[in-house]
Amino acid sequence: GAVVSQHPSWVICKSGTSVKIECRSLDFQATTMFWYRQFPKQSLMLMATSNEGSKATYEQGVEKDKFLINHASLTLSTLTVTSAHPEDSSFYICSASPLGVSSYNEQFFGPGTRLTVL
Amino acid sequence: QKEVEQDPGPLSVPEGAIVSLNCTYSNSAFQYFMWYRQYSRKGPELLMYTYSSGNKEDGRFTAQVDKSSKYISLFIRDSQPSDSATYLCAMSVSNYGQNFVFGPGTRLSVLP
Repeated sequence: GAVVSQHPSWVICKSGTSVKIECRSLDFQATTMFWYRQFPKQSLMLMATSNEGSKATYEQGVEKDKFLINHASLTLSTLTVTSAHPEDSSFYICSASPLGVSSYNEQFFGPGTRLTVL
Repeated sequence: QKEVEQDPGPLSVPEGAIVSLNCTYSNSAFQYFMWYRQYSRKGPELLMYTYSSGNKEDGRFTAQVDKSSKYISLFIRDSQPSDSATYLCAMSVSNYGQNFVFGPGTRLSVLP
């Protein structure tokens, strides 16, 4: 149980285009989903926290108009990188926290999406 | 000073060795401590979860938390080549829906 999927697993796009990444909790409902970015040999950097049905909360320095997050249902959150540029090339990872109060703070991570912007 | 510090490695050990991985932190409000393992180009997977100070053991893995020193450790006994990965520590203040603060990760190589 507690599986999180991401689609696509990798994407290559031209500079200036937009890319949508999906994050799904397959066997549980998630009240909260998190989006992280990870550059090579660096740790995960939280970009934003999204709660179903409400606007995402972005971390300082993350442009909300560039990284659009939609948490439309309890099992799906999407991250859209708008007008992508080569510096947006990175590994994007989502995680999901199950619905309801847990005995501890659980986050289940997706397998990540590698974005390369040419 | 970064909120969570971790030696990035790489750390290379022979198969069967005991591995010690460590993180230090500055925020005394952290109460929940996690260790994640991340293989190359994959998402992190939870290895250990501890609350407050003390030890927790799970198979070959032991997690220790010393809140007085703001120091946590993960020990791996009888290390295997399949343990080769990046190990990330993570911490949070609350126990629900709280984003984690991650350490930068330590790359571990277990040599056969």
